[in-house]
Amino acid sequence: QVTLRESGPALVKPTQTLTLTCTFSGFSLSTSGMCVSWIRQPPGKALEWLALIDWDDDKYYSTSLKTRLTISKDTSKNQVVLTMTNMDPVDTATYYCARTTSGFHAFDIWGQGTMVTVSS
Amino acid sequence: DIQMTQSPSSLSASVGDRVTITCQASQDISNYLNWYQQKPGKAPKLLIYDASNLETGVPSRFSGSGSGTDFTFTISSLQPEDIATYYCQQYDNLPLFGQGTKLEIK
Repeated sequence: QVTLRESGPALVKPTQTLTLTCTFSGFSLSTSGMCVSWIRQPPGKALEWLALIDWDDDKYYSTSLKTRLTISKDTSKNQVVLTMTNMDPVDTATYYCARTTSGFHAFDIWGQGTMVTVSS
Repeated sequence: DIQMTQSPSSLSASVGDRVTITCQASQDISNYLNWYQQKPGKAPKLLIYDASNLETGVPSRFSGSGSGTDFTFTISSLQPEDIATYYCQQYDNLPLFGQGTKLEIK
């Protein structure tokens, strides 16, 4: 069974750096084609893709946020980490990690999401 | 950059109705389009991939069609459990979601 679970702080202050961890099981991120993405959703708003890391350690970022994002993986721990710098209240959202099995394709399995509030 | 226009933004229909949602891309994306269902407080769920392929385990009343720039998602007979927000997502370039369609029961 494939599962993903997000973890990280529920509250961060403006200007701080957010670090989120996606811990997954049931697949290996060293398998060709496997990728993990981060996607967020502000309250009441649409989904926004943020970043993707693939089996070959290639990384892709949202054009509008790429200067603030870093994605990395620890294959031995089955974890993918996202950092977002200079947090602002508009970054308040539920952050999801999700899997694709062939590069940029369909997000077939999602984590439950973790809500992050940015407030002083 | 590719833009995705999803419509309508909200929709009210009766149980048993046929429901259609459209998604239009600003440029040709072939069949690189997926559809998701999101219920309140839950993560999105993949329903349709590559424009018209039903994900395993998804009821056959859900279907998708289209290619190029114009895509359609259909529920052939609306059920109460289909109340949710539906999103299209293109992956011709960096992934991009539509703005969503909130489906309610009339």
